[in-house]
Formats: sequence, C-alpha cells, structure tokens
Amino acid sequence: QVQLHESGPGLVKPSQTLSLTCTVSGGSISSGDYFWSWIRQHPGKGLEWIGYISYTEGTYYNPSLKSRVTMSLDTSKSQFSLRLSSVTVADTAVYYCAKGEAFASSWYVFDSWGQGTLVTVSS
Amino acid sequence: DIQMTQSPSSLSASVGGRVTITCRASQNIIKYLNWYQQKPGEAPKLLIYAASSLQSGVPSRFSGSGSGTDFTLTISSLQPEDFASYHCQQSYSTPWTFGQGTKVEI
Repeated sequence: QVQLHESGPGLVKPSQTLSLTCTVSGGSISSGDYFWSWIRQHPGKGLEWIGYISYTEGTYYNPSLKSRVTMSLDTSKSQFSLRLSSVTVADTAVYYCAKGEAFASSWYVFDSWGQGTLVTVSS
Repeated sequence: DIQMTQSPSSLSASVGGRVTITCRASQNIIKYLNWYQQKPGEAPKLLIYAASSLQSGVPSRFSGSGSGTDFTLTISSLQPEDFASYHCQQSYSTPWTFGQGTKVEI
C-alpha cells in the first residue's frame, strides 16, 4: 500500500512561491506506471487537478496554472515536489499529493492520497 | 476543458435509505468517470472507476452507472459512515476535472 505525506510551509506571502514536497513510501516513485499528482481544494469547494509528474512520461500541467507551476522528482529521496509562483489569496487551499495510475492500462484514477496540507496566502 | 456538474449539491438522507447522485459531463466521456468519497478533514478515497467498477475493498452497497454524458452514483442502504461528500472526476482527457461535490447529510 503506497503512502504519501505532504510537507511544506503553511503560510506564504502574496507574490512569493509556494513550495510543497510529497514523500512516498511503500511504492517506487520511479515506476513508469504511476503519475504523481498535485490536487488542491479551495475552502468549501471542489477539487482542482494541478498536474502530474511521471518518471517516464515527464510532466503535464493544468493549462489554468501552467505558467506558474513546476513539478520535480527526487528518486533518491522518494519525493516529488510542487512549486507555484506568484501566489495570491486565490491560491489559499488544501493541497493534496496523490498517486495516479492507469487501471487496466486505460482507466486513470487517483488511488492513493496524502492527508492534505492547508496553505494560506496572506501578508 | 470538460466541465463536470453534479446534482444535487447537498442532500439529506436517513440511515438505511437509498441515495442517488448525478454527474453530467459537458461532452461525451464514454465511461471515463470516477467517483470519490471524502469525509471531513480527510483526503478523498476512490470508490468507483470506469463508471461502474468497484474499487477493491469498497462495500457493494455502492454502485455506479452511466455512459456518455450522464452518470449516477447510488448508495443502496446508507450507513452512518457514508455521510460524506462525493466527487465525480473525468479521466477522458486532460486536464482531468472534478465535479463540485455533493454533500450527503443526515
């Protein structure tokens, strides 16, 4: 059973860069079968997929955030990271890391999630 | 982007009752539809994928149906632990998108 755990500052100032790390245990972060994703949830709202990084497939960023997002993978630490630049109060949300996988090579799902971390953007 | 619209946004139900939640896609997504359950303060949990396939370990009182643009999640006999929010998500095309969620309350 893959487990994920987010870490990073809970408070970021406007215009600065939000940086989060997800530590993976119980599974190989370098498996080409997995799409390591970041997903966020604004307070009281629905879920928004930010994008993924895959060891073999590279990255995909949601076009709505693409200009501000960078994801990276550190296989030596079994971690992947999110950087979101030029943040505003609209980026205040709970941020989840999740493992994406294609069941039967076709059905993409998020089948393991971290517990989530609240990031507040405020001066 | 494919827009996902859930209805209702919230509903009240009783233990033992039957609950149906609807999810509509803005275009044909065939059966590329997943459902997640989220309890307060917790991360979402995968319930159903490919519109109707039950994830391992999920009770059989949960079922999904539909194809094309219209999908439903049904809980046949609501249990106390089922009071939560439910989210649909399309995996037909990137960017993958979610519905706004449905809160099931007592």
